[in-house]
Amino acid sequence: DQQVKQNSPSLSVQEGRISILNCDYTNSMFDYFLWYKKYPAEGPTFLISISSIKDKNEDGRFTVFLNKSAKHLSLHIVPSQPGDSAVYFCAASRDNYGQNFVFGPGTRLSVLP
Amino acid sequence: EPEVTQTPSHQVTQMGQEVILRCVPISNHLYFYWYRQILGQKVEFLVSFYNNEISEKSEIFDDQFSVERPDGSNFTLKIRSTKLEDSAMYFCASSDRINSPLHFGNGTRLTVT
Repeated sequence: DQQVKQNSPSLSVQEGRISILNCDYTNSMFDYFLWYKKYPAEGPTFLISISSIKDKNEDGRFTVFLNKSAKHLSLHIVPSQPGDSAVYFCAASRDNYGQNFVFGPGTRLSVLP
Repeated sequence: EPEVTQTPSHQVTQMGQEVILRCVPISNHLYFYWYRQILGQKVEFLVSFYNNEISEKSEIFDDQFSVERPDGSNFTLKIRSTKLEDSAMYFCASSDRINSPLHFGNGTRLTVT
């Protein structure tokens, strides 16, 4: 039951260019979305979030876009830097008491110098 | 910046033994979580905890698992009788309110032999 999908297991981008990571979800009850970055041997690190009342949220080099009708969100990183090389997870939740976040399988981003 | 700390970083145990994984969440956070990631698979929700009780749990979190907040700072996950398939990275997380990002620890790698 893949409620959150990240169909690209990996992505390679040249340093300085834009990285676009995609995420699709199936549960229309999801209303809060986050992106996490994970380095090996570390826990996921929060990057940026967006609630369903918005379609865009920006924080420095990171922008998240939400298309509710398509049940699709994307993370844009511009300009990409070698330190951005990591696994990126999309996560989604419903506004419920338990706040159970459902994670996608992740996309491994490699930024090439 | 405050962080979630987990101990030990790596735990090796024999099948059938009990293990306790320990976490110190961020001090002013009220919501606590355990997630796990089996090697090569996605991050999976196990349980959430608020106001000294479980608020939500997944089907993974069966009777072999329990959580406890024994004092004002620690949050523990106990696996009563470990199985080989319990081998995974276990991540503790905390948040300060509903619909806010989870802050993850660096995980405990549990190896069941």
